Amino acid sequence: DAMVIQNPRYQVTQFGKPVTLSCSQTLNHNVMYWYQQKSSQAPKLLFHYYDKDFNNEADTPDNFQSRRPNTSFCFLDIRSPGLGDAAMYLCATSRTGGIGEQYFGPGTRLTVT
Amino acid sequence: DQQVKQNSPSLSVQEGRISILNCDYTNSMFDYFLWYKKYPAEGPTFLISISSIKDKNEDGRFTVFLNKSAKHLSLHIVPSQPGDSAVYFCASPLIASYGKLTFGQGTILTVHP
Repeated sequence: DAMVIQNPRYQVTQFGKPVTLSCSQTLNHNVMYWYQQKSSQAPKLLFHYYDKDFNNEADTPDNFQSRRPNTSFCFLDIRSPGLGDAAMYLCATSRTGGIGEQYFGPGTRLTVT
Repeated sequence: DQQVKQNSPSLSVQEGRISILNCDYTNSMFDYFLWYKKYPAEGPTFLISISSIKDKNEDGRFTVFLNKSAKHLSLHIVPSQPGDSAVYFCASPLIASYGKLTFGQGTILTVHP
């Protein structure tokens, strides 16, 4: 009965080697979000899609990109991961993007060696 | 600049007692607040919310109180159960930014049997 699915759950990549994280949803929600959470810190929004419209946060590094080929899927691409990019990456969805609750996936823990 | 703050990194409570988790915010534009609960290896799940037009919202064992003048909210869990042991985040959505959530750092609640 999974609603927001993230693959893989754990990802190890080498310094500078591109990596892609995947998120899919069965809720048919319009909005999909990517948050980065470093240890003992608050989750921080990187960007979101409202349908096909991409919205980048001002302080999201250029190293991070995203794709949403259809309603169900959204990808996070890290072009050249650095050691500081090691974190938990959370995908979330919202039906309309207002004050309604967001539904989170289990997250992907990224390790950079 | 942390706009939502949870100043207690952890809280330990005996089963059956009350747990009180606190959250402060600085942005006057925030007028809706949510509490999320996160177990290890899972994404955050929505727990309870409150609008700024209310000062209290109750759902079973969970009650959230909002003090707008003090820019403070709290989550009360009564009675606390061992299964409540988790990380609790308060968050507020920015409606103008498609519900972008600003999270606090989280409080680790441990309920001892």
